[in-house]
Amino acid sequence: DAMVIQNPRYQVTQFGKPVTLSCSQTLNHNVMYWYQQKSSQAPKLLFHYYDKDFNNEADTPDNFQSRRPNTSFCFLDIRSPGLGDAAMYLCATSSARDSRPHWTQYFGPGTRLTVL
Amino acid sequence: GEDVEQSLFLSVREGDSSVINCTYTDSSSTYLYWYKQEPGAGLQLLTYIFSNMDMKQDQRLTVLLNKKDKHLSLRIADTQTGDSAIYFCAESLYSSASKIIFGSGTRLSIRP
Repeated sequence: DAMVIQNPRYQVTQFGKPVTLSCSQTLNHNVMYWYQQKSSQAPKLLFHYYDKDFNNEADTPDNFQSRRPNTSFCFLDIRSPGLGDAAMYLCATSSARDSRPHWTQYFGPGTRLTVL
Repeated sequence: GEDVEQSLFLSVREGDSSVINCTYTDSSSTYLYWYKQEPGAGLQLLTYIFSNMDMKQDQRLTVLLNKKDKHLSLRIADTQTGDSAIYFCAESLYSSASKIIFGSGTRLSIRP
């Protein structure tokens, strides 16, 4: 089945130690998103790639970076994680060619990040 | 501005119908979505409705859209324990089709 995969599902890192979360998709969607979700809150969009074009949200801290080496993969890099960065990180994809409404977002299972 | 609002909690008895409500402010919505999130999991797309429709039914789910009042609801018939989750309403905008605006989510709990 076509899907959005996130690895690892759980990640523990130390305060200030760089960490990378990964997302891959078999949907061949041209847009990939990274969201941060804290407990009992709505997902907050950090940035998204429209093909190779990177689109950062205005309030996303510089500590968060992203890479998209090809259509299928996208990475979230947290350069110096703080305690406030502990959260669920969700990857999503969408496409204007989707047979459902265009731009419908499909989510991965998330990576729960713990910062010690 | 863009804003989507939901009540935070809903408790229903097993077997009853659940109705989760959502209001939005931007009249340029193209599609409105309902996502379900179970504990520790990602968001699962439940259903969606195009902004020029007023109702959509999909098995136990009924979506009602009142464009005049900018009000969206999700009705779950015969609510089961497996329906316990957080339900997010979301809208996509004509002006920014590749982004969606989420509501704060409604936590649905089921009483035996």
